[in-house]
Amino acid sequence: ETGVTQTPRHLVMGMTNKKSLKCEQHLGHNAMYWYKQSAKKPLELMFVYSLEERVENNSVPSRFSPECPNSSHLFLHLHTLQPEDSALYLCASSQEYVNTEAFFGQGTRLTVV
Amino acid sequence: QQQVKQSPQSLIVQKGGFSIINCAYENTAFDYFPWYQQFPGKGPALLIAIRPDVSEKKEGRFTISFNKSAKQFSLHIMDSQPGDSATYFCAATPYNQGGKLIFGQGTELSVKP
Repeated sequence: ETGVTQTPRHLVMGMTNKKSLKCEQHLGHNAMYWYKQSAKKPLELMFVYSLEERVENNSVPSRFSPECPNSSHLFLHLHTLQPEDSALYLCASSQEYVNTEAFFGQGTRLTVV
Repeated sequence: QQQVKQSPQSLIVQKGGFSIINCAYENTAFDYFPWYQQFPGKGPALLIAIRPDVSEKKEGRFTISFNKSAKQFSLHIMDSQPGDSATYFCAATPYNQGGKLIFGQGTELSVKP
């Protein structure tokens, strides 16, 4: 596999459920990101990890909890979500935190019911 | 200060036509301006990018024009093709903040055959 792979591609969850999104990059990059893409809104940066250390948390509610166990994997743990959290969640990676070319995965389409 | 404003929201052109998408920013710390292309069901992919030390960059049928004094930049697509139909996002970032991209709202381009 190459590039940035996200699983699952689609997820429907109830507001009381706990689920996790997974991202894996096969590019040897050191920085990974979570973005949220909602309809009619710009992509919003949620979290940044550089060398497995969180370097950015853009005022994201605590019901979203990221985890970066190593430089190739990134998770987004979800619990007690709201319907307005329904969106496309995109993972990206770049060679270094200061390297501006970000490569995106295909995203996970999340629906909260 | 952190916003990037993009217009138009949607654009319809005929095959062979010329497309222009405009973006404006406020933050003078931004010094890297990429454009991303996103097809349905896919993540955004880097199309072309520019630094403010040049006023224009061309790659094939795609050209970025940059006006530093006006804090505006635009994407020009020559000889538009149906395969160019996608959503285009401009973005900006301070170069030393890597993948921390501030995105515009996106432009949905449709090229009619």
